[in-house]
Amino acid sequence: SQELEQSPQSLIVQEGKNLTINCTSSKTLYGLYWYKQKYGEGLIFLMMLQKGGEEKSHEKITAKLDEKKQQSSLHITASQPSHAGIYLCGADDPSNTGKLIFGQGTTLQVKP
Amino acid sequence: ETGVTQTPRHLVMGMTNKKSLKCEQHLGHNAMYWYKQSAKKPLELMFVYSLEERVENNSVPSRFSPECPNSSHLFLHLHTLQPEDSALYLCASSPRLVTYEQYFGPGTRLTVT
Repeated sequence: SQELEQSPQSLIVQEGKNLTINCTSSKTLYGLYWYKQKYGEGLIFLMMLQKGGEEKSHEKITAKLDEKKQQSSLHITASQPSHAGIYLCGADDPSNTGKLIFGQGTTLQVKP
Repeated sequence: ETGVTQTPRHLVMGMTNKKSLKCEQHLGHNAMYWYKQSAKKPLELMFVYSLEERVENNSVPSRFSPECPNSSHLFLHLHTLQPEDSALYLCASSPRLVTYEQYFGPGTRLTVT
């Protein structure tokens, strides 16, 4: 079965610093989603990537899917306290329509 | 209201109680999902409904019983739960049961005592 591994598991950065979170899959990714979750709350959809080499940006957050479609990165530029939360990557399970599998999440703290 | 809503937001129940979680989506989506999120574990898919029919049951114990009376509402009926069932239960919906982003509700924090 497909598994997603995120790194790092947690991250503490100073406000204004850049950071990158990685999501690595054990198999080819056919749809990769990035979500943000505030502690104890639901997930907020950030971006979806499908094509190898694809890159999308929203405000100060950029997500990329590598050419081989087995790794994605989420990059935050000039981090702010509002960026704090848990970032999860999710992927379509090709053997199971409609099923998303998730990484374990990366907890981000931004120190003012 | 817009988006996906869940009630209650917090629930404490004893192991012999029966309770239900409710999810409602106002997005006109045709697929709905129940997820369980436990501490330090990836999100686990529990149930998937497409056009009110269950299409996925991810080896979930029978003490969890889903119900989808229409495409806008999803319930999770709980009975004789165990303390290890304490978790955040998240509901999500998507336009169809294919490759689309899923929209999540705020979750119900369940504590089983």
